[in-house]
Amino acid sequence: AQTVTQSQPEMSVQEAETVTLSCTYDTSESDYYLFWYKQPPSRQMILVIRQEAYKQQNATENRFSVNFQKAAKSFSLKISDSQLGDAAMYFCAYTDSGTYKYIFGTGTRLKVLA
Amino acid sequence: DGGITQSPKYLFRKEGQNVTLSCEQNLNHDAMYWYRQDPGQGLRLIYYSQIVNDFQKGDIAEGYSVSREKKESFPLTVTSAQKNPTAFYLCASSTTRLGTAEAFFGQGTRLTVV
Repeated sequence: AQTVTQSQPEMSVQEAETVTLSCTYDTSESDYYLFWYKQPPSRQMILVIRQEAYKQQNATENRFSVNFQKAAKSFSLKISDSQLGDAAMYFCAYTDSGTYKYIFGTGTRLKVLA
Repeated sequence: DGGITQSPKYLFRKEGQNVTLSCEQNLNHDAMYWYRQDPGQGLRLIYYSQIVNDFQKGDIAEGYSVSREKKESFPLTVTSAQKNPTAFYLCASSTTRLGTAEAFFGQGTRLTVV
C-alpha cells in the first residue's frame, strides 16, 4: 500500500529566510503525482505545488520549489523568502492514476518568526 | 464561481443521533472524497467515489455511510455507530482525466458531539 511520511511535526523559520519541509513516500506504481497543500488557520486546503512522477524537472511556483528524488522516494518543499502569510500546516500528498485516491502525510506546522 | 460547498460549517449532535454532512460541487468532477482530520493524524480517507452510483470504503469507513446519486453531490452520514465522531470533515473532488490530478477541497465541517 502507498504511504506518505512527514517526519517534522513542526518547523520554524525567520521571516525572509528559506526553509525546507521533508516528505517521503512509498509506492510500487510508476505513474503518480505528488502535491504540497497548505492549510492556514481558516482550514481551507490550498494547493501549493504539484509534481508529475514522469517529469524529471523539479516543479517551481514563485517562492515555492520542490526537490523530487524519485529513486529515493523523497519530495521536499523549499520555501524561499518566507513571509508571515506562509505560516500554516503543510501536507504532502500522493495519488496515482490507478485509484485516484489521495494519501496524505500527517503534516508539518510551519511557524514564521518576525 | 466553480467550487465545492460544504454545509453546515459547524454542526452539533447529541450522542446516539445520525447526522448528514452535505457536499456539493459544480466543477464537473467525476471523483469525490470524504476525509476526516484529527490533530496529529493528517487527513484520513473515509469514502470515495469515482462515478455516480458507485463508491468505495477508505481507511476509516466504519460508522459512516455515503451515497452518490448525482454527480454534483456526495453526502456523508455519520451514524451512531461511529464511536468518536467529533472531528473536522473535509470533502474534496477531482477530475479523473490524466494530467490534471489535483484535488479541490471544500471549507470543511466541524462536527461536535455533545
